[in-house]
Amino acid sequence: QKEVEQNSGPLSVPEGAIASLNCTYSDRGSQSFFWYRQYSGKSPELIMSIYSNGDKEDGRFTAQLNKASQYVSLLIRDSQPSDSATYLCAGSGGKLIFGQGTELSVKP
Amino acid sequence: EAGVVQSPRYKIIEKKQPVAFWCNPISGHNTLYWYRQNLGQGPELLIRYENEEAVDDSQLPKDRFSAERLKGVDSTLKIQPAELGDSAVYLCASSARTGSNEQFFGPGTRLTVL
Repeated sequence: QKEVEQNSGPLSVPEGAIASLNCTYSDRGSQSFFWYRQYSGKSPELIMSIYSNGDKEDGRFTAQLNKASQYVSLLIRDSQPSDSATYLCAGSGGKLIFGQGTELSVKP
Repeated sequence: EAGVVQSPRYKIIEKKQPVAFWCNPISGHNTLYWYRQNLGQGPELLIRYENEEAVDDSQLPKDRFSAERLKGVDSTLKIQPAELGDSAVYLCASSARTGSNEQFFGPGTRLTVL
């Protein structure tokens, strides 16, 4: 069974802090990875994709991939209350496999 | 650019009744996906279409679920008969090209089976 594992949280950080979300995956054949943000009662929204080892930055978001360790992370700098949501990690070796999501709460 | 459109947004039915969900993907997106998301879980793939061909339906419970995408654009997912355990959010997603997993989701249909 190919799996993507996330800590379900909730992860609580103060406004302005860095939020660090982590994800591990079991399928070494996975080539691409994605972070989706899902607000309560809404559908997932793609916020980051990463395909190669290292860091990828987009505004306040940085995705990190380490294929040797089978580890993906998402850093959110200067966290805002509007970042409060569930963050889904997904990996693909063909089919997209989602983790269960990490709930992030940013406190004003 | 319009996003993925789904209807209905909410559906409440009694067990053993049929139900159908409709999806219109982003214009030009050839790949269409149906997912089921249970509370507190990530989406799970039910079926993937490349144009009008179902290329991955291994997770679709074929005894009660069916899907079609007749002209390679709109798609319908049907459950007949529905069971209590089918209560979930049914999400449709699309992507621009074969092999791309940058998927864009519709708003979903929240199904409640009583």
